[in-house]
Amino acid sequence: DTAVSQTPKYLVTQMGNDKSIKCEQNLGHDTMYWYKQDSKKFLKIMFSYNNKELIINETVPNRFSPKSPDKAHLNLHINSLELGDSAVYFCASSQDRQKNIQYFGAGTRLSVL
Amino acid sequence: RKEVEQDPGPFNVPEGATVAFNCTYSNSASQSFFWYRQDCRKEPKLLMSVYSSGNEDGRFTAQLNRASQYISLLIRDSKLSDSATYLCVVHWPSSGGGADGLTFGKGTHLIIQP
Repeated sequence: DTAVSQTPKYLVTQMGNDKSIKCEQNLGHDTMYWYKQDSKKFLKIMFSYNNKELIINETVPNRFSPKSPDKAHLNLHINSLELGDSAVYFCASSQDRQKNIQYFGAGTRLSVL
Repeated sequence: RKEVEQDPGPFNVPEGATVAFNCTYSNSASQSFFWYRQDCRKEPKLLMSVYSSGNEDGRFTAQLNRASQYISLLIRDSKLSDSATYLCVVHWPSSGGGADGLTFGKGTHLIIQP
């Protein structure tokens, strides 16, 4: 079983559309994250949730809205997609906020046309 | 500004050679240090944590120098399969604690040549 799974793996869409990426972890971890990796391969944290509560929200446009229905799931909804949103989005989890070794999903490659 | 700096490379190294690269961090309050490995078009995976006394895992040795604020990774007897991007990761506590201060370097690209 995949420990951290995210869907879809690839997402191609037009500018202005709204899309969602789903993430689930079966590790029993308390903390989940969303990262964005741009074309220059720079991996930057976007959001962190601990037990369904938002912990950090970096300087991310409010078009990005994370939702955590339970601590095993952290979904990312993106409104009004822009060309600059094209990137690979990684979901990750860690046991808790102190034991923060990150376990990553396989990534969602988003292309906005 | 809290930063983690790495030489992006690429480092082209013949198979069997020893290679080392460093990472510097700006926040002296940093508490945890890691090396992650990322293969092309894959997710990052933990290679090893870095401890103050230095630690070894097979052919890999990690060192921490708090005074100079850098960590290093040494790979001995390099294999073709070691070709990847190596990401330096540093954690420092913030007002919220936890992963708030988890910062990734941009990675060092290593190519092992036959």
